[in-house]
Order: sequence, then C-alpha cells, then structure tokens
Amino acid sequence: GENVEQHPSTLSVQEGDSAVIKCTYSDSASNYFPWYKQELGKRPQLIIDIRSNVGEKKDQRIAVTLNKTAKHFSLHITETQPEDSAVYFCAASINDMRFGAGTRLTVKP
Amino acid sequence: GAGVSQSPSNKVTEKGKDVELRCDPISGHTALYWYRQSLGQGLEFLIYFQGNSAPDKSGLPSDRFSAERTGGSVSTLTIQRTQQEDSAVYLCASSLGLGLYGYTFGSGTRLTVV
Repeated sequence: GENVEQHPSTLSVQEGDSAVIKCTYSDSASNYFPWYKQELGKRPQLIIDIRSNVGEKKDQRIAVTLNKTAKHFSLHITETQPEDSAVYFCAASINDMRFGAGTRLTVKP
Repeated sequence: GAGVSQSPSNKVTEKGKDVELRCDPISGHTALYWYRQSLGQGLEFLIYFQGNSAPDKSGLPSDRFSAERTGGSVSTLTIQRTQQEDSAVYLCASSLGLGLYGYTFGSGTRLTVV
C-alpha cells in the first residue's frame, strides 16, 4: 500500500519567514496530493491540493509543488503569521488517502 | 447536512465494553472514510465506503473493529471488547468520490477506554 513520509516533524520559524514541509510517497499510481491543517483540538481542514497533471499550484501565501518522477511534493508558506501555527499533514491518494505523520509548525511573533 | 456530523463527541467506556460511533456524511458525498488519530499522532486509515461497493477494510486493526454504512449514507463504526489501546479520536470524513477529491472531516469522537 501507499506509504507517505513527511519532514520535518517540527518546524519553528519567525513571523514573516517562509516555511517548507516536504513529503515523499511510494506508490507511483497516486494521483492526488492534498495538504491539511489541524489546529489544536480541531478537525483537519483542507488548505490546498494538487493533482498529478500539475507541477505547481499557488493560493495567496501557500503553494504546493509536485515532482512525480521523484515522488515528492512540498508545501511552501510565505510571510508566515502566528495563526499559521498548527500541525500540517500531507497525503497521497489513489482511492483512499494515506497521510504523513504531520509537521508541527510554530510561528514565533 | 452542511458538514460531516459525528456522535457522540466524547465517549468514556470501560475496558471490555462495546461501543458504536456514528457518522453522518455530507449529503451527496458517495465516499465515506474512517480514520483514527491517537494523541499527538497522525491519521491512521481504518476503512472506506464508496457507493454500493464492498468497503475496503484493509486498515481495520483487528477483528474487534467493524463498520457498516446503511443506505449509502450514515455509517457506524463498532468496536467490540474495547481495550485501552483503542483510546483515540475517531475521525470520519466524506468526499464526492474516490481519489481526486478532498475530504471534509467531522469533529471526531474522542474515545477513552478506562
């Protein structure tokens, strides 16, 4: 089955800096790669996604890149703000989604 | 409904008892998923349902776990003879279909086995 690895497990940045989270996946048949943000005690919420026919997608301060050859994809957050502090999960999907272990991002004011 | 609804939100049960967790997906979403999230951990896949197809049970951790989905809508996850290691948040999600659609998650059921 699909195996998704995510790095780093924790990330601390100063407000205004950029944050990058990286994921790799094992099954080349995966064709959909979403990112979820989970604030403490709340449900995961979809923040951005990318499909396998696209290499990059941007939505305001967040962007995702996908390299299908290397089987890795990344989340980039620019101009980080304290409210970006949360746990971020990447996922890879064929039918169901398999999630990475999560990255706890802390943005220090 | 407007979102994915799960009940109960919290459940405390004694070791050895059976529990049922309920999920009501977004109307029109044909796919429904169950995940388990232990404290501070990631999301562990349990099972998914798609339309009237047989469910993919490959993630269920033991035969004490079972799930059904009636009428292509509401789903129940049943854990028999609960153990302390079953304590976790059980998250349900639904989507428009398999594969290329994002999930909408419910708020989860926090299960504590004492």
